Amino acid sequence: DARVTQTPRHKVTEMGQEVTMRCQPILGHNTVFWYRQTMMQGLELLAYFRNRAPLDDSGMPKDRFSAEMPDATLATLKIQPSEPRDSAVYFCASGTQGADSGNTIYFGEGSWLTVV
Amino acid sequence: GDSVTQMEGPVTLSEEAFLTINCTYTATGYPSLFWYVQYPGEGLQLLLKATKADDKGSNKGFEATYRKETTSFHLEKGSVQVSDSAVYFCALSYLGNQFYFGTGTSLTVIP
Repeated sequence: DARVTQTPRHKVTEMGQEVTMRCQPILGHNTVFWYRQTMMQGLELLAYFRNRAPLDDSGMPKDRFSAEMPDATLATLKIQPSEPRDSAVYFCASGTQGADSGNTIYFGEGSWLTVV
Repeated sequence: GDSVTQMEGPVTLSEEAFLTINCTYTATGYPSLFWYVQYPGEGLQLLLKATKADDKGSNKGFEATYRKETTSFHLEKGSVQVSDSAVYFCALSYLGNQFYFGTGTSLTVIP
């Protein structure tokens, strides 16, 4: 089955360290989303890309977060420097955008980040 | 703007009870509507969807009908099982663009 692959699945890091999370979207999907999930805030959209171009990153703290798509098979989310409040589950999702209004996005299993 | 509002949880039911999770939406156009489910330790999975008014989405015994007149997409199941324990998210989207998710409703089914 085609699926979205995220690495690492779990990461514990010290405050101030750089964290990079990677996502391989489903082959052929042209839209990639990054979400953050916490108990307090629920599911928050951080950024999304279409055809590798960033369309909306207004939900992302610009001073420490950055998101890129170096190629169609890889999306990255980087935090530098990391802080304890960044502890959360980060989800990548991919889908297709087009005339079929029933288009669906598919989620990866998430990267569970703990910053101590 | 566009948004989705779900009923507050958590919801606790006995096995074989009837389930309803309410979802209402605010939309500027004619979106597609979705229910996603998240099991512990996993990502969100599509449960069902509906693309236009009066459409009914169904999967695994769950159903939801796209009601334009009441701007609702309530999730129902006639007889829940312990394995249905999860968090359920309502969402809307236009053409696979920006997805707007509700806050999620936690369901626990007890034997």
